[in-house]
Amino acid sequence: GQQVMQIPQYQHVQEGEDFTTYCNSSTTLSNIQWYKQRPGGHPVFLIQLVKSGEVKKQKRLTFQFGEAKKNSSLHITATQTTDVGTYFCAGPRNQGGKLIFGQGTELSVKP
Amino acid sequence: GAVVSQHPSWVICKSGTSVKIECRSLDFQATTMFWYRQFPKQSLMLMATSNEGSKATYEQGVEKDKFLINHASLTLSTLTVTSAHPEDSSFYICSAGGHSGNSPLHFGNGTRLTVT
Repeated sequence: GQQVMQIPQYQHVQEGEDFTTYCNSSTTLSNIQWYKQRPGGHPVFLIQLVKSGEVKKQKRLTFQFGEAKKNSSLHITATQTTDVGTYFCAGPRNQGGKLIFGQGTELSVKP
Repeated sequence: GAVVSQHPSWVICKSGTSVKIECRSLDFQATTMFWYRQFPKQSLMLMATSNEGSKATYEQGVEKDKFLINHASLTLSTLTVTSAHPEDSSFYICSAGGHSGNSPLHFGNGTRLTVT
């Protein structure tokens, strides 16, 4: 069946280092969304990408949507302790349109 | 805008009892709400779609008689875990929005259920 895969599962960085998480879909997506879940919290919407090759930035966060609309990445420059959490990508299911979430990448930042 | 409120935040219940979780859209009307389940260190798994005024649609493998969903108004959906067992212990999160997967989901704060 349709899958959304995310790597790595965990990433431990020193504060100030960069971080990237990758998302791959088994099928072409109409859009891809990114969410952040802080420890003990609920997922919070970060951004949605729609166009092939699209790049969007939010301060230190850079989001990319692949040309084939099957992969995406989230890059954080110079991580801070406030970046700690699990980052999920999500794309709509081909049938029914409901969102399928990747496994998430848990980021820990050592001060 | 787009605030989703979920109650309770956590609940501990004894095995065999039922637990009701409420999900409210505070500043918008939601004809559709989604219920997710999340085990520790794992992803969000969609359990069911709650449809206002009609029956919920359940994902494959989710027992509809165990997880009762009611969406009686445009701002309230409830999930009742019936005859709870320890394996039902999990983090349950509702969400609204995300129509057809083309718009963002707004999540409630989640309910941490522990069945003893």
